[in-house]
Amino acid sequence: EVQLVQSGAEVKKPGESLKISCKGSGYSFTSYWIGWVRQMPGKGLEWMGIIYPGDSDTRYSPSFQGQVTISADKSISTAYLQWSSLKASDTAMYYCARQQWLVPGGAFDIWGQGTMVTVSS
Amino acid sequence: EIVMTQSPATLSVSPGERATLSCRASQSVSSNLAWYQQKPGQAPRLLIYGASTRATGIPARFSGSGSGTEFTLTISSLQSEDFAVYYCQQYNNWPLYTFGQGTKLEIK
Repeated sequence: EVQLVQSGAEVKKPGESLKISCKGSGYSFTSYWIGWVRQMPGKGLEWMGIIYPGDSDTRYSPSFQGQVTISADKSISTAYLQWSSLKASDTAMYYCARQQWLVPGGAFDIWGQGTMVTVSS
Repeated sequence: EIVMTQSPATLSVSPGERATLSCRASQSVSSNLAWYQQKPGQAPRLLIYGASTRATGIPARFSGSGSGTEFTLTISSLQSEDFAVYYCQQYNNWPLYTFGQGTKLEIK
């Protein structure tokens, strides 16, 4: 079965760092782009960025450039989203999702279950 | 940035009836348009890609149409499990994907 499994919910304080993960299985992890999507409480979907695990080529939405870091470890089929200094406004559900085509472009056909990040003092 | 605008924000329809959801792009996205369904507490699910191609396992009552800047998702006969939030997304301007703000489909 093709799936993406994300790490569990996190509760952090402002200023702390965090790295959440997304592990792929059932397919060639290095061959498909993986994107990250934010959903703030009660709000819509926002695309954050995308990475190609095969060579770690990474692209960011201008809205998230410099705010987060996307990375991948192809040896363990895992993509990451990290923050160096969290803010309360980072409180949201974060999803990883696989881009459907082997070439750039395409919809997200497989989604992780989401990781809830809560930042509160 | 390509802005995606969905209408209406909320749509109230009775089970068994037809629902029509709209999505407009601020500039042409050709047919590079996807629709997702999201139920409470769940991740989004891909319904339609390429503006009109149903994803694997999606029932035939879901259909998509349009190209350029105007798109429509139609659900021909609403089932109870179809009441959810629906998002459109353009992927024409890779890698600068953008989503619409969503349409909530509720039971009338």
